[in-house]
Amino acid sequence: AQSVTQLGSHVSVSEGALVLLRCNYSSSVPPYLFWYVQYPNQGLQLLLKYTTGATLVKGINGFEAEFKKSETSFHLTKPSAHMSDAAEYFCAVSDRTGGFKTIFGAGTRLFVKA
Amino acid sequence: GAVVSQHPSWVICKSGTSVKIECRSLDFQATTMFWYRQFPKQSLMLMATSNEGSKATYEQGVEKDKFLINHASLTLSTLTVTSAHPEDSSFYICSAMDRTMGEQYFGPGTRLTVT
Repeated sequence: AQSVTQLGSHVSVSEGALVLLRCNYSSSVPPYLFWYVQYPNQGLQLLLKYTTGATLVKGINGFEAEFKKSETSFHLTKPSAHMSDAAEYFCAVSDRTGGFKTIFGAGTRLFVKA
Repeated sequence: GAVVSQHPSWVICKSGTSVKIECRSLDFQATTMFWYRQFPKQSLMLMATSNEGSKATYEQGVEKDKFLINHASLTLSTLTVTSAHPEDSSFYICSAMDRTMGEQYFGPGTRLTVT
């Protein structure tokens, strides 16, 4: 079975500061890993994904994440927060051998202070 | 990128009635679609996996007779909430699987309010 744990339901940073959202996963098979962003009353937008290959993945809006198998982590970072980054962020894991069923973490609300 | 649409985007219905939500992949064929439910300020919970031409696979705890899923074509899956009750009020999101890309594309969601 797969699972995702996001550490911290709320994260608050100042504009221009580093953003770090933590995600740990559990999977019995090599996983696909994703980060999604959700704005209020909207669907999900894919920020980035890891499937195979390079473990440092760059996404949209300046975000990146690093797959660390030894730590079973896939933390999301952005060097400098912008006010428009304030949203809900979800980490997710998918089992490519199990029909690509995707399990989501509980989500982390990012607040950006001016 | 690939586009998935949902219709309606927002619906209000009376308790006891049924509501159908459509999920369409607009520019690719999706043999597999997923239906999720999201309560306010919570994560997405997978309800069921919809496979074209076969019965849906429901997650544990999801009532298959209440949440009817039909995947009649490679671009359309429908979720019907039967005999809706206020506790069924939620945000329902579908996704469509593009196996050639190994990626899911999410619809914009449908807000259901049962009065």
